[in-house]
Amino acid sequence: GAVVSQHPSWVICKSGTSVKIECRSLDFQATTMFWYRQFPKQSLMLMATSNEGSKATYEQGVEKDKFLINHASLTLSTLTVTSAHPEDSSFYICSARKDGSNNSPLHFGNGTRLTVT
Amino acid sequence: AQTVTQSQPEMSVQEAETVTLSCTYDTSESDYYLFWYKQPPSRQMILVIRQEAYKQQNATENRFSVNFQKAAKSFSLKISDSQLGDAAMYFCAYRSANDMRFGAGTRLTVKP
Repeated sequence: GAVVSQHPSWVICKSGTSVKIECRSLDFQATTMFWYRQFPKQSLMLMATSNEGSKATYEQGVEKDKFLINHASLTLSTLTVTSAHPEDSSFYICSARKDGSNNSPLHFGNGTRLTVT
Repeated sequence: AQTVTQSQPEMSVQEAETVTLSCTYDTSESDYYLFWYKQPPSRQMILVIRQEAYKQQNATENRFSVNFQKAAKSFSLKISDSQLGDAAMYFCAYRSANDMRFGAGTRLTVKP
């Protein structure tokens, strides 16, 4: 089956530092990956669509200079939270499609809990 | 390891009728939450309903209700009076303190 690995599973960082989260498709190539953030009351917000070899597409209201996304290969997308603040503390989740079709299933990473102190 | 299984890749329901989506999970933890998310073509993940594991009473949200069987580790979603707007991918999810797992999803089609 298709596996998406997300690393780290949890991280604690100090305010003002940057944190990088990796999302890897282990046994398939993903031209498109998605990054979500889980807010209080458990809603899951799409932050951006990561496209291999091109710029990410950010959803309205998401600061692209703060949440840097790099999709350098067909199996790896990274999300870097720059100059983190306590309000950035959240659960971040990535997902990937096995092929380019919108009908193909999404495979989710296990999430990264970020705590900014 | 925690796993979430949705055994129905596709389901279909007639408008105004009721449909049940299945979800089972595996965990050794005692404190966790369960969710159903709806994903329309916009790819946003819309929370449909959630259930705290410590609560015995099944959660309900208008036309959506769950059948939570903790001992059996089952968490099915019932949609009553189905509407055309209910058509979407539905994901079952499990969350504990530092882990979140999703099922593979069920694509629901609503026939007029």
